[in-house]
Amino acid sequence: GEDVEQSLFLSVREGDSSVINCTYTDSSSTYLYWYKQEPGAGLQLLTYIFSNMDMKQDQRLTVLLNKKDKHLSLRIADTQTGDSAIYFCAEGSGNTPLVFGKGTRLSVIA
Amino acid sequence: DGGITQSPKYLFRKEGQNVTLSCEQNLNHDAMYWYRQDPGQGLRLIYYSQIVNDFQKGDIAEGYSVSREKKESFPLTVTSAQKNPTAFYLCASSRGGLNEQFFGPGTRLTVL
Repeated sequence: GEDVEQSLFLSVREGDSSVINCTYTDSSSTYLYWYKQEPGAGLQLLTYIFSNMDMKQDQRLTVLLNKKDKHLSLRIADTQTGDSAIYFCAEGSGNTPLVFGKGTRLSVIA
Repeated sequence: DGGITQSPKYLFRKEGQNVTLSCEQNLNHDAMYWYRQDPGQGLRLIYYSQIVNDFQKGDIAEGYSVSREKKESFPLTVTSAQKNPTAFYLCASSRGGLNEQFFGPGTRLTVL
């Protein structure tokens, strides 16, 4: 079945950029999502990108999609301590529920 | 104020007891979902429902049951058949079509 892979941990210094990577296997994916989960809370939708786009920017967030390599990345500019959380990548085709990666735990060092 | 509510936030039960977790949404979404989250495991889909009175099993449905009698409600029962029920349970909903999902705050279930 479909699979979404992410590295489990990322550590960055406050003020640096963070890049969280994700790969997926379903070539019929039409939407790709990034969610943020803070400790003890539900998931918050951060942003999404359609599969026919290469890039989407939203304030400090930049999403890059390489459809040929099935690679998605989330860049957070000027990372702050409040960005410390688990970030989930998810893909969907509209026909089945979203498939989520296992999440990348981002730690921001002051 | 639209959103998804889950209650209670923390739940404790003795082993062998069934327990029902509540999920309500006022977003007028057609689809609803239940996930289980364990440390390092990400999200695992338990059940989902695309319309009232219909639901499908997810990847780990054994030991769980659901109902969808109303559009806004999708309760999850964790039965005594579930071997390891202690986990964080997340409910989500989405508009028509199985696309972007909005999540509730979660219920942490501890079975003693």
